[in-house]
This record gives sequence, structure tokens and C-alpha cells, in this order.
Amino acid sequence: QSALTQPPSASGSPGQSVTISCTGTSGDVGGYNYVSWYQQHPGKAPKLLIYEVTKRPSGVPDRFSGSKSGNTASLTVSGLQAEDEADYYCITYAGMKDVFGTGTKVTVL
Amino acid sequence: QITLKESGPTLVKPTQTLTVTCTFSGFSLSTTGEGVGWIRQPPGKALEWLGLIYWDDDKRYNPSLKSRLAITKDTSENQVVLTMTDMDPVDTASYYCAHRFFGVHAFDIWGQGTMVTVSS
Repeated sequence: QSALTQPPSASGSPGQSVTISCTGTSGDVGGYNYVSWYQQHPGKAPKLLIYEVTKRPSGVPDRFSGSKSGNTASLTVSGLQAEDEADYYCITYAGMKDVFGTGTKVTVL
Repeated sequence: QITLKESGPTLVKPTQTLTVTCTFSGFSLSTTGEGVGWIRQPPGKALEWLGLIYWDDDKRYNPSLKSRLAITKDTSENQVVLTMTDMDPVDTASYYCAHRFFGVHAFDIWGQGTMVTVSS
């Protein structure tokens, strides 16, 4: 199975916004509204930020938002803060399997 | 409150079989909809989906690893066991289990992970 494509890195200054893309195919991202996004700090387990493309679990700041257009999903982090510096992964349900993204390292300048 | 914790060997030899146990609390795998997934992450690399098991014993596996994987559950002990055969140094990774609810298709709570090194 092919991984979802994410940019290796993204960056922004505090207070700015950064958007991370997650590109798949019509058989995964484009075919299901089940994209989720995770944040992972070094040495820590991933944390769920977004599920079902746009939904936020309780406790996740509304600075994090998700969207999808065609075969590409996106995560936007608004009002960047120092603690947002981390790796971010997308995952999509694709029928009988999950497909994971390649990961994006976000740097807060 | 849902918690999960992985346990298993830190070192396995090539060709051996790895067994990692996920012990959880805050939900039951006898409850409709509940599930547990397995994900791994080699050092410095991306996450990789291994598979998952649901309350009804429905199992899903990564197609590229399916021949080497088995996921089972012990409902009475609140445990899920991942077995991976024919281990190779490229299987060196942190292995995570995570909670999932059928129909939501996201891993909402993760264990802390356990690091497994494959070396002779």
C-alpha cells in the first residue's frame, strides 16, 4: 500500500498560520471522510487532533482545523505557538485498512 | 478514562517471533464498537499501521505485513496481543497500541509505546 504524501517540513513564526497537506488517491483520502490528524512530540506517543476530516476531540484548541478537497486533506494550525513544534501525521480509513501519511515536521521560527 | 500500556521484550533476535501485549482499562472489548489497533514507528521514521481488532473479533491487517501478523484479544484480561513472526532488524521500532471505536475510524487514545530492537 502507498503512504499518503505529506511535505517533509513546514514552518511559521509565532502567531502565523501553517497548513499541512496530505495527498492520497480516490481509493483512500478521496473516497472516505475519515481523515484524522495526529501531533507527535519527540519521544512521545501521537495525540489525536482532528478526526472525520473536520472534527476536534474535546480539549483540542480550535487553532487546529481540518479540511478536504478531492484527494487532498489539509490541517491548518492558526496562531502558531512554540508548543506546536512537533511532527504531524495524517491517517485515512480506506475500507479494510488504514493508510498513514509520511509525516511533516513543523518548526516554529 | 481510557488508558493503554504496551509490554514485551526490548530485544529479539532475527527470525524470532515478537509478542507484544497491550493492557488497557476504561473500556471493554466485549462492548459493541470497541477496538484496539497497533502502530509502529522505526527510530526517526514515520508511523506505520499494523492492524486492529474489534469487539466482534473482526481483524484487519496491513496487507504488506499480513502473512507475519496476528492480533488476538483476551476480553477477560482486558488485553490485546500482537504477534509478528520472522523478525528482522528492519522491524526495530516503537510499537504502540491505541483505542479505536468502530465507525469513527481514528485512534483517540494511545499507549506510551514500547521499543523493540531486533539484533543478534
